[in-house]
Amino acid sequence: QKEVEQNSGPLSVPEGAIASLNCTYSDRVSQSFFWYRQYSGKSPELIMSIYSNGDKEDGRFTAQLNKASQYVSLLIRDSQPSDSATYLCAVTRGRDSNYQLIWGAGTKLIIKP
Amino acid sequence: DGGITQSPKYLFRKEGQNVTLSCEQNLNHDAMYWYRQDPGQGLRLIYYSQIVNDFQKGDIAEGYSVSREKKESFPLTVTSAQKNPTAFYLCASTVPGRGGGYTFGSGTRLTVV
Repeated sequence: QKEVEQNSGPLSVPEGAIASLNCTYSDRVSQSFFWYRQYSGKSPELIMSIYSNGDKEDGRFTAQLNKASQYVSLLIRDSQPSDSATYLCAVTRGRDSNYQLIWGAGTKLIIKP
Repeated sequence: DGGITQSPKYLFRKEGQNVTLSCEQNLNHDAMYWYRQDPGQGLRLIYYSQIVNDFQKGDIAEGYSVSREKKESFPLTVTSAQKNPTAFYLCASTVPGRGGGYTFGSGTRLTVV
């Protein structure tokens, strides 16, 4: 079992619809959770962080965390073609004081005009 | 503006040659990381450093070496012992303990010719 799992996609969503991206993780004591967006050939860019159960909203993005079920999700409302990218989920490695992030392989999202 | 600068953007290595990738940050971050990214895979940790003159091996350190002589700089050397070095290399930094995500450089794409 991978430590952080994501559906590789591609996930195709019509423009204006809601895109839903999911991520599950195996380490029950992970503390911090992140979503990064990576355009082709570019470096990852942090778009959302979440640390406690529930929802966190920032503009068109909402991150959801459920520690009991060990999953974190990202919702993108009113999807735009510019949202087409690979979305990487990352979680902290337990209570590791060295602060390492464990990465999923990413979900490729395609927004169709 | 603060950030992380990686150079060069593209690098070509001949068989048996050592090459060094540069990573410089002016964010005053204590921790720095080197990752390797291959197509369709997540980020894999090569080395990381939390303090000057100290660094630890990540999951795929064989064939690589690093140094951390200054807080701002964390160069990565890809040695001839690394048999499959063609990949996208990413440098990142953060402040451990704040719980925040990583900031990434723009990456170096290394190709063996």
